Formats: sequence, C-alpha cells, structure tokens
Amino acid sequence: AQSVTQLDSQVPVFEEAPVELRCNYSSSVSVYLFWYVQYPNQGLQLLLKYLSGSTLVKGINGFEAEFNKSQTSFHLRKPSVHISDTAEYFCAVGENSGGYQKVTFGIGTKLQVIP
Amino acid sequence: DAGVIQSPRHEVTEMGQEVTLRCKPISGHDYLFWYRQTMMRGLELLIYFNNNVPIDDSGMPEDRFSAKMPNASFSTLKIQPSEPRDSAVYFCASSLSRRGGSEQYFGPGTRLTVT
Repeated sequence: AQSVTQLDSQVPVFEEAPVELRCNYSSSVSVYLFWYVQYPNQGLQLLLKYLSGSTLVKGINGFEAEFNKSQTSFHLRKPSVHISDTAEYFCAVGENSGGYQKVTFGIGTKLQVIP
Repeated sequence: DAGVIQSPRHEVTEMGQEVTLRCKPISGHDYLFWYRQTMMRGLELLIYFNNNVPIDDSGMPEDRFSAKMPNASFSTLKIQPSEPRDSAVYFCASSLSRRGGSEQYFGPGTRLTVT
C-alpha cells in the first residue's frame, strides 16, 4: 500500500527567505507525485506534478520539486517566499491500482510566511 | 467552465438529522471523488466514482454515510443520522481521465457542523 509522510506540520519562514517542505512516500510500484496547495477557505489546487522524465519539476508561483527515487522523496522548494504563499501544502502519491489511479494525500504542511 | 460546484458551502445541523451534500463535477470529467478533511485526520478519501459507478467506497466510515451519482453531472453524499464527530469540511473533486498522473480539480468544500 502506498503512503505519504509530510515531516513538518507547520513551517514558519520570513518573507523573501527560501523554503523547503519535505515529503517522503512509500509504494511498491511506479508512482506519480503531486503537490497541491490549499488557501484558506478554498479547495486544493495543483501546484506541480511528476510523472516521468526530468526529476526537477517546475510548477506555478515559482515553486519547484525534485523527485529522488533512491530516497523516496519529493521535496517542494521556493527560493524566495511571499506573504501570499501562506497556505497549506499537500503532497500526494498516485499509483495505478486495478486499472484506476489511486491517490493518497499527506497530512499537509502549513506554511506561515512572516512579514 | 465554472469548476467543481458544491452546495451548500456551510451546513449546521443537529445530531440525528439527515444531511445531504451536493456536487456538480466539471463537464466531461469521468471521475468524481468525495473527501473529508479534519484537523486530526487530514484529507481522507471517502469514495470515488468512474462514469457514475462507485469504484471504491472503502473510505466511507460507516453505514450512516452513502453516496450516489445518478448522472454525469451530479453527485450527493448523505449522512443519516448525523453525529457531532461528522463535523468536517467535505470536498468533492473531479478528474478527466484514469490515466496515471491525472490532476484532480477540487470544489470549494462544504463545512459541516453537527451540534
């Protein structure tokens, strides 16, 4: 069975500083990896995803993530955060199961950008 | 497209009452998902449909919960009778394809409070 571990429940960071949100996964098969963002009182929206190919994936709002198969990680990074990045970030892993894609979400990491 | 539409946005009800949450997926999407989000358990998949057929309902917590999808543009999640521990935000999401790596599009959620 697949699982996702987000190692930090909350990450405070000063505005314009870099940030890394950590995600580790486990799966017995090839996987697809996602990062979603949830702004207050809204649904989740896709930031970026890894399907195959280049291990460095660029997403919206200046975020990027690197797939590391040996460490089973998919950490999210941004070189300089903005106040508007304050939100909750979810890592998710998808795998094909019985012809369907099953997606499992992590518990989420709250990013608090401090002015 | 208007995106995934959920109604109501907020629902407050008394213990023992029936609650019905509604969802309209994005037109043309074959997959529909119901999630529950709480502080304690994060985002949990309750059930998902493919072409209006329930595929996996293993996440439905108990018999008090039921979900239907009578046609491609409408789904309901019903709780009968409701209990205080059902208080959560319920999200509906839809997806275009069963192909691995497909993005899920989330609605704004229904915040349910059971007193």
